[in-house]
Formats: sequence, structure tokens, C-alpha cells
Amino acid sequence: NAGVTQTPKFQVLKTGQSMTLQCAQDMNHEYMSWYRQDPGMGLRLIHYSVGAGITDQGEVPNGYNVSRSTTEDFPLRLLSAAPSQTSVYFCASLPGSWTGGNEQFFGPGTRLTVL
Amino acid sequence: AQSVTQLGSHVSVSEGALVLLRCNYSSSVPPYLFWYVQYPNQGLQLLLKYTSAATLVKGINGFEAEFKKSETSFHLTKPSAHMSDAAEYFCAVRLPRQGAQKLVFGQGTRLTINP
Repeated sequence: NAGVTQTPKFQVLKTGQSMTLQCAQDMNHEYMSWYRQDPGMGLRLIHYSVGAGITDQGEVPNGYNVSRSTTEDFPLRLLSAAPSQTSVYFCASLPGSWTGGNEQFFGPGTRLTVL
Repeated sequence: AQSVTQLGSHVSVSEGALVLLRCNYSSSVPPYLFWYVQYPNQGLQLLLKYTSAATLVKGINGFEAEFKKSETSFHLTKPSAHMSDAAEYFCAVRLPRQGAQKLVFGQGTRLTINP
């Protein structure tokens, strides 16, 4: 299993440009999430999905869109990039269950710089 | 609202010394607790988790953590530091019955090991 994969690894955008960060998992996990990591702030939840066709907002959703058409893929779209979106983005997945001990599996991250 | 506080954004210890990374949470209900490690330019990897079973939890790479309800703490320890332990460590919490994808992370502690 490849686990959770993310592309690209690095990206530089200009203010106002749009782009899509790709995330895929091959573990048949129902739940998937996007986080951003900023220095001194840990990871903050952007959007999440509890299954194909079902998404919801996390702590910092503004400026981002998501959709979940398949179990495997959960792309994150930046509609109009801003310098405040410069960050490292992590995708995560976990088995769909209300059992508390389930851990999230993280991808390697995408480092995004917005000029 | 639940929150997580990691005391000390940077911790430095000598090789062979005790490692102690502090994590306190605020919740009236004992949450599920996790410690993740992030090596440079990589994603997050689960070290250990507390899910209301034994209060002393053993994880990978010789780390362990003890859940103390009276102190609302879940500190991470390792008896003898190794150079390979240099990384950033994140404590995370999730409330019971809350969506498994809704992890709240602390701000992280960067561990440096001195030879």
C-alpha cells in the first residue's frame, strides 16, 4: 500500500492564482481531512469528509474548497491564492468509525508559497 | 471548547538524558489523546495513543506517556535520548463521540539532541 499520497510536494503561486492540491489514499478509509501547518500553531483542520459526497468545514475553511467524488481522492482547491495561505498542507485519512482510538494516517505534505 | 497546550516550543537535551515533553488538555470529559512525531520534511507519524484503557501507554522508539486525569496531562517521556529522536512532537486530543477526524493539535515542541 502506498498509504496517503500528496502532489505536488512543492508549489509557488502568485497572488490570485488558483490551484488544486491532490490527495489520494489506497486504504479504503472513509474519513479524510486537510490540515495546514504553520510555525507555532500546530496543525489546524481546514475541511474534512466522512465519505464520498459528504464534506464539512473545519477550523480554518475560508479560501478553500473541497469535494469527495470517490473514496480514494480528496482534492483541496485554492480559489484565489493569498500570501496568508503560505503554509504546509497535510492530508490525512482514517477508517470510518466512531471508535475513539482510531489514528489518522498522514501524507508527506505539500509546501505552498504564495507570492 | 477543548484545547491542547504543549509547554515549551523548544526542548534541548543531551544524548542519553531523559526526554520529557509536556502536554496539558482542557476538557471536562477525558478525551482520547495522541502523540505524533514529525521528522524534517516528512508527514506526521503516530507515536502512541491513550484510549481509556491503561493510563501508562507505551509507544514506538522507546517513548511512553502517562495519562493523569487529576492533572489533565499526557506528558511524553523517554528514559534515554538518542540522536535520531531529534524531531518535532505534537500532542493531539479528540473528545469521545466527536468525529474521529476532528483532532485538535498542540502547537508542537521541537526536540534537539546534543551530542
